[in-house]
Amino acid sequence: KQEVTQIPAALSVPEGENLVLNCSFTDSAIYNLQWFRQDPGKGLTSLLLIQSSQREQTSGRLNASLDKSSGRSTLYIAASQPGDSATYLCAAGETSGSRLTFGEGTQLTVNP
Amino acid sequence: NAGVTQTPKFRILKIGQSMTLQCTQDMNHNYMYWYRQDPGMGLKLIYYSVGAGITDKGEVPNGYNVSRSTTEDFPLRLELAAPSQTSVYFCASSGHRAGVTETQYFGPGTRLLVL
Repeated sequence: KQEVTQIPAALSVPEGENLVLNCSFTDSAIYNLQWFRQDPGKGLTSLLLIQSSQREQTSGRLNASLDKSSGRSTLYIAASQPGDSATYLCAAGETSGSRLTFGEGTQLTVNP
Repeated sequence: NAGVTQTPKFRILKIGQSMTLQCTQDMNHNYMYWYRQDPGMGLKLIYYSVGAGITDKGEVPNGYNVSRSTTEDFPLRLELAAPSQTSVYFCASSGHRAGVTETQYFGPGTRLLVL
């Protein structure tokens, strides 16, 4: 059974800092790895999707990497802003990517 | 293009009551999903569907039922509500083309309290 772990559970940083969020998964036979953002009381918004054949994906100030052999993914946020404050969830996709196993998330606070 | 819509936004149920959570998507996605999220936790898959007439169990299906009669709609039925079903329920959908599943789009959630 796939298990996904995210460390740290919470992170508080000053505005402008570069930061890294970590995600690990136990079964390396994944189809894809996705990162989502969740604002309080809201649904999830997809940030980046990395197919198993890819090593990284970039969108603006966000960069996600995937190392299947070590069972790890990282989300790098450059020049953090208060608007980046949210919970970030990673999810490992199996069965053609349709079944996602989620981590518990990292709650990020960026202080002005 | 409304994306994924869910109704109701919030509901209080008494133990033993039943209800249906509605989910509709207008993106012509063939895959749809139901998740639950308990406080401070990640999401757990309840049921999913790869197309009209096809449904399959996820990680936590007990106490729930689904149907998929159309591409757009994927209702989740709770029979005999229990306090353990107090949670926030999210519906999602995704496209699937050439063997590749695309990213999932989520609805705003339904907050359910069972007392």
